[in-house]
Amino acid sequence: KNEVEQSPQNLTAQEGEFITINCSYSVGISALHWLQQHPGGGIVSLFMLSSGKKKHGRLIATINIQEKHSSLHITASHPRDSAVYICAVGAVETDKLIFGTGTRLQVFP
Amino acid sequence: ETGVTQTPRHLVMGMTNKKSLKCEQHLGHNAMYWYKQSAKKPLELMFVYSLEERVENNSVPSRFSPECPNSSHLFLHLHTLQPEDSALYLCASSQETKLGSSTGELFFGEGSRLTVL
Repeated sequence: KNEVEQSPQNLTAQEGEFITINCSYSVGISALHWLQQHPGGGIVSLFMLSSGKKKHGRLIATINIQEKHSSLHITASHPRDSAVYICAVGAVETDKLIFGTGTRLQVFP
Repeated sequence: ETGVTQTPRHLVMGMTNKKSLKCEQHLGHNAMYWYKQSAKKPLELMFVYSLEERVENNSVPSRFSPECPNSSHLFLHLHTLQPEDSALYLCASSQETKLGSSTGELFFGEGSRLTVL
């Protein structure tokens, strides 16, 4: 079992829908990262959080440290949100990032 | 200028070729990384340089050879690669507070897509 698990692996949505992507982890962490990767390869850091909730535009990230779980929400989804969303955790024991396999999101007009 | 720039974006090479990937960061960060991304697998850390010293190797085959001449530049030298080395190679940088740590916010380049024939 991977130390960082994301669900779902693939997600399709209609424009305007509310989207949730989940991330569960099994190690002690210093912080959790959400990353976005568009077709073509480049990866952008969306959030880095260690507690509570962060919001940036239509994106919201939450983390529950006790349950070792984080969610990424997208409100009023748009086709330009189509990308792979990657969860990564900074492992306390190794001081290294552990990555999930990503969630591929497609938003149709 | 973008924060982290990688060249070339695409590279096709034979198994006997020698080529290099280049990465440059303009963010003043103290750590740089090479990651490998293969289809349906998580990002794999290959090399970490912190303050221009290599602190992580992760048992990468010797056909991959990194070089970090200064804090802004990072190279990945490639020689006698195998077809299974075909992947997207991503460079990243971060500002770390502890030598050898790599848990800070990462800034990635656009990646170099490598195909080995």
